[in-house]
Amino acid sequence: GNSVTQMEGPVTLSEEAFLTINCTYTATGYPSLFWYVQYPGEGLQLLLKATKADDKGSNKGFEATYRKETTSFHLEKGSVQVSDSAVYFCALTSNTGGFKTIFGAGTRLFVKA
Amino acid sequence: GAVVSQHPSWVICKSGTSVKIECRSLDFQATTMFWYRQFPKQSLMLMATSNEGSKATYEQGVEKDKFLINHASLTLSTLTVTSAHPEDSSFYICSAREPGQGGGRYNEQFFGPGTRLTVL
Repeated sequence: GNSVTQMEGPVTLSEEAFLTINCTYTATGYPSLFWYVQYPGEGLQLLLKATKADDKGSNKGFEATYRKETTSFHLEKGSVQVSDSAVYFCALTSNTGGFKTIFGAGTRLFVKA
Repeated sequence: GAVVSQHPSWVICKSGTSVKIECRSLDFQATTMFWYRQFPKQSLMLMATSNEGSKATYEQGVEKDKFLINHASLTLSTLTVTSAHPEDSSFYICSAREPGQGGGRYNEQFFGPGTRLTVL
């Protein structure tokens, strides 16, 4: 079945540091890939997405590239801010399996001033 | 982007009572909605897939008599937690998908803000 694996947290960084959160997937069909962010006590917000191989999703300084050859969709940001502290979820939705969204376990990010 | 709302945003109830949570797609018609459950500091667990006009499909291990799902219209799905107990306390999130074929936009789901249920 489809699955998503992302690096365990928590990840603790200083402000302006470079961020990478690794995400790999297994899927049949033609999956779309997503990164969601969840701030404390809130629901999910779509951060960025990519719908086909080699697409790059970007938003608010975050970016991720859909790499079919390595089945990866790593999240990066060049300079994190304290306000980026949240939980980040990698996810996929495939046209097979009823368009269910499969989530990774989530990675908690703490950014220190 | 498309908007999905949930009501209520939080609810506290006594053990043994039933609680209904609504999920609405505000600016599009959703033939399929999904219900997730999230425990503290954990990921989202898919509970069931709700299809308009038909019975919901439940994931393995989810009690369908405990978690009643109704998708009576193209813009509304409801989740009723029956005879709630403290272990049902959780964050419940719904999502909705626009109908369509192929990949791209139609693989995206739009998530509601979640409902926090606390059972005393």
